[in-house]
Amino acid sequence: GAVVSQHPSRVICKSGTSVKIECRSLDFQATTMFWYRQFPKQSLMLMATSNEGSKATYEQGVEKDKFLINHASLTLSTLTVTSAHPEDSSFYICSAAGRDTEAFFGQGTRLTVV
Amino acid sequence: QKEVEQDPGPLSVPEGAIVSLNCTYSNSAFQYFMWYRQYSRKGPELLMYTYSSGNKEDGRFTAQVDKSSKYISLFIRDSQPSDSATYLCAMKYGAQKLVFGQGTRLTINP
Repeated sequence: GAVVSQHPSRVICKSGTSVKIECRSLDFQATTMFWYRQFPKQSLMLMATSNEGSKATYEQGVEKDKFLINHASLTLSTLTVTSAHPEDSSFYICSAAGRDTEAFFGQGTRLTVV
Repeated sequence: QKEVEQDPGPLSVPEGAIVSLNCTYSNSAFQYFMWYRQYSRKGPELLMYTYSSGNKEDGRFTAQVDKSSKYISLFIRDSQPSDSATYLCAMKYGAQKLVFGQGTRLTINP
């Protein structure tokens, strides 16, 4: 199957700093990328959807100024958690999909804000 | 009512048993149906992908879709301890976002 690479897999940062997470589709063109957040023992919560070259569409309740998403090319999307706080600690997962194809997931990033 | 309903379990069965995982949905526009497996602290891994009613088999896994009943299933034959994970159903239409079920935690006991 297609490969989606997410980096870093784990990051610890200090409260107030910003963290950038990268998501790359390695062998296909991802027209759409999705960013999810997952709390322990819960399902994936969609945060935002981004199409290449356009602004991301955020789900209700997700702060767009806090979670900056950039989808500058068909193979790369980034999520930046700005001014991170301990409550932002979570498991963040990206997913990439081509047009009318199944979605493939990255391995996830475990963010811990101390 | 949620668009996709999935029993969260947990579900525990002995090794070798047949496992049945199910989801129901309310949106008749859904065209694509997927099952993902997620191990602890890892991203979901696509197991099965179907877009029509009927059965699709891949090794020990069989995905079943019944659009008339808005019901999908995943069967695992000869279950192994390595199958222990959380299984998520997901569905979408066109290029729209995936809608996930809650996920079922499955444990296969040796």
